Amino acid sequence: EVRLVESGGGLVQPGRSLRLSCAASGFSFSDYAMHWVRQPPGKGLEWVSGVSWNSRTVAYGASVKGRFTISRDNAKNSLYLEMNNLRPEDMAVYYCAKDMANNFLSGSFDYWGQGMLVIVSS
Amino acid sequence: DIVMTQSPDSLAVSLGERATISCKSSQSVLYRSDNKNYLAWFQQKPGQPPKLLLYWASTRDSGVPDRFSGSGSGTDFTLTITSLQAEDVAVYYCQQYYSTPITFGQGTRLEI
Repeated sequence: EVRLVESGGGLVQPGRSLRLSCAASGFSFSDYAMHWVRQPPGKGLEWVSGVSWNSRTVAYGASVKGRFTISRDNAKNSLYLEMNNLRPEDMAVYYCAKDMANNFLSGSFDYWGQGMLVIVSS
Repeated sequence: DIVMTQSPDSLAVSLGERATISCKSSQSVLYRSDNKNYLAWFQQKPGQPPKLLLYWASTRDSGVPDRFSGSGSGTDFTLTITSLQAEDVAVYYCQQYYSTPITFGQGTRLEI
């Protein structure tokens, strides 16, 4: 059974940093691209970032580029999102999602974690 | 960026009836080299993560009931749910994975 479990969320002040983690199991993690997608409370889905299976290709949405960094550790079956200089508009549920292929833009997202709420407030 | 626009924003359909949701992309998501539309549909129920329904515009994901179907090509796509069931109440999103940034439609709320 594929499982994706996010951790590391919570309340953080504007301008501070936070690191999200996603622990993967039930599939060969190193074979697939991975993504972060966020959803502000009561709003729609926004793709945040993606990383290819071998970390050679990464991409970011415009609203987070330069502030967020995606990474992965295939030995630990884990995906990360380092979020710096957080803003109130970054407040959202952050989902970890598995790609259907080893690189993104080759398939959609077939498994999602339950999500982790990040609150940015003073 | 490719803008995905869904219509309507909300939709009320009776049990057993058909629901149709439209998704238009601001540019084609048909990749000529493989003749595939890089378009997916998701279902999201309250308090749950999105669930993949269809990819390549019309391929059902494993376990998705055949009352869900997708059609269209290029820039115009449709999600059709035939014989609506109570458990189909949800928000539905289209997504393009043709180019980064990967983008989603704004969502369509389906009610009974």
